[in-house]
Amino acid sequence: QKEVEQNSGPLSVPEGAIASLNCTYSDRGSQSFFWYRQYSGKSPELIMSIYSNGDKEDGRFTAQLNKASQYVSLLIRDSQPSDSATYLCAVIRGSTLGRLYFGRGTQLTVWP
Amino acid sequence: DTGVSQDPRHKITKRGQNVTFRCDPISEHNRLYWYRQTLGQGPEFLTYFQNEAQLEKSRLLSDRFSAERPKGSFSTLEIQRTEQGDSAMYLCASSYGGKSTDTQYFGPGTRLTVL
Repeated sequence: QKEVEQNSGPLSVPEGAIASLNCTYSDRGSQSFFWYRQYSGKSPELIMSIYSNGDKEDGRFTAQLNKASQYVSLLIRDSQPSDSATYLCAVIRGSTLGRLYFGRGTQLTVWP
Repeated sequence: DTGVSQDPRHKITKRGQNVTFRCDPISEHNRLYWYRQTLGQGPEFLTYFQNEAQLEKSRLLSDRFSAERPKGSFSTLEIQRTEQGDSAMYLCASSYGGKSTDTQYFGPGTRLTVL
């Protein structure tokens, strides 16, 4: 079982819609959770971090964490074509401070 | 520009040659990480430093790979006797504080192509 699993997609939504990206992780002791956006040929760019159960909102982005279900998600409201990218879920496990474990990423396309 | 910088941005080399990459972290960050990313995959951890100490190395880091951070500032990653399987994007990230909530910020990466 991989440490972090994401639906590889691709996910395609129309402009203005809500895009929902999902991630599960295997280590119940994981403490910190991150969403990065990566445009083709570029490096990952941090979008959101979340550390406790519940929702965290930042502009059009909402991260949701459910530690009991070992599940983290990212919602993008009012999706724009500029949101088209690969979204990477990353986790810091409780036993290994520092290193990030990444999923494979979900490719999102927002069409006008 | 106060972000993480990496040099070179692209490197093409022939199999068997040695290559060295440099990373300059955000100035006040004491932790520095190296990751490798191949097409269609998420980044994979290679190693990290807190100040000048190398605290962890992945099993991915074979004996052909070596990383240093001699003065706790910039870091270098060297690959000896490169193989075609080493072709990837090499990413450097830095963070401050050493806590589990630390946020890692990535540099632009060095894309290595081994012919």
